[in-house]
Amino acid sequence: QKEVEQNSGPLSVPEGAIASLNCTYSDRGSQSFFWYRQYSGKSPELIMSIYSNGDKEDGRFTAQLNKASQYVSLLIRDSQPSDSATYLCAVNDFGNEKLTFGTGTRLTIIP
Amino acid sequence: SAVISQKPSRDICQRGTSLTIQCQVDSQVTMMFWYRQQPGQSLTLIATANQGSEATYESGFVIDKFPISRPNLTFSTLTVSNMSPEDSSIYLCSVPPEGDTQYFGPGTRLTVL
Repeated sequence: QKEVEQNSGPLSVPEGAIASLNCTYSDRGSQSFFWYRQYSGKSPELIMSIYSNGDKEDGRFTAQLNKASQYVSLLIRDSQPSDSATYLCAVNDFGNEKLTFGTGTRLTIIP
Repeated sequence: SAVISQKPSRDICQRGTSLTIQCQVDSQVTMMFWYRQQPGQSLTLIATANQGSEATYESGFVIDKFPISRPNLTFSTLTVSNMSPEDSSIYLCSVPPEGDTQYFGPGTRLTVL
């Protein structure tokens, strides 16, 4: 049984600070890793995908992957109130398009 | 990314009845996925719908409860049968675009009384 673990939060971060979200996964065969953002009452939207060890940056977002330690993280720089949402970590295997989701971390940016 | 629409966006249903949810994609896709998100929970995959073959269900989900149709490469339906309050959830369809990242439809919010 694949497991994806996240701290459910809530995580409160002051506006302008860095928000750090973490995720661990149990299946060493996992190849692809995703961060989704979900606003209350809305469907998840993809923020970042990462496939190789190291960092991947896109604007204010940086995804970090460490396959040896089986964790993936998301950093949000210069946090804005609009970043307040639930962040879902998801993983899948190479060639398998089914995603396994974590329980999500609720992030609140405090103005 | 594909544009995905779902109908209805929300519904309130009585216990024991059934609801069929429609998912339409603006491009042809080989696979469509149906997820459930119970209140305060994460997403759980119900089944994978392939055109021309029976859907593949995940552990804990059965065809009698969640029959799925996939008549063509742009459309699928999920029926929630003989509903109980425990079926109150958001139901989301999803497609894999080019590559292996998935995008989601807007969801159907179901409340069962």
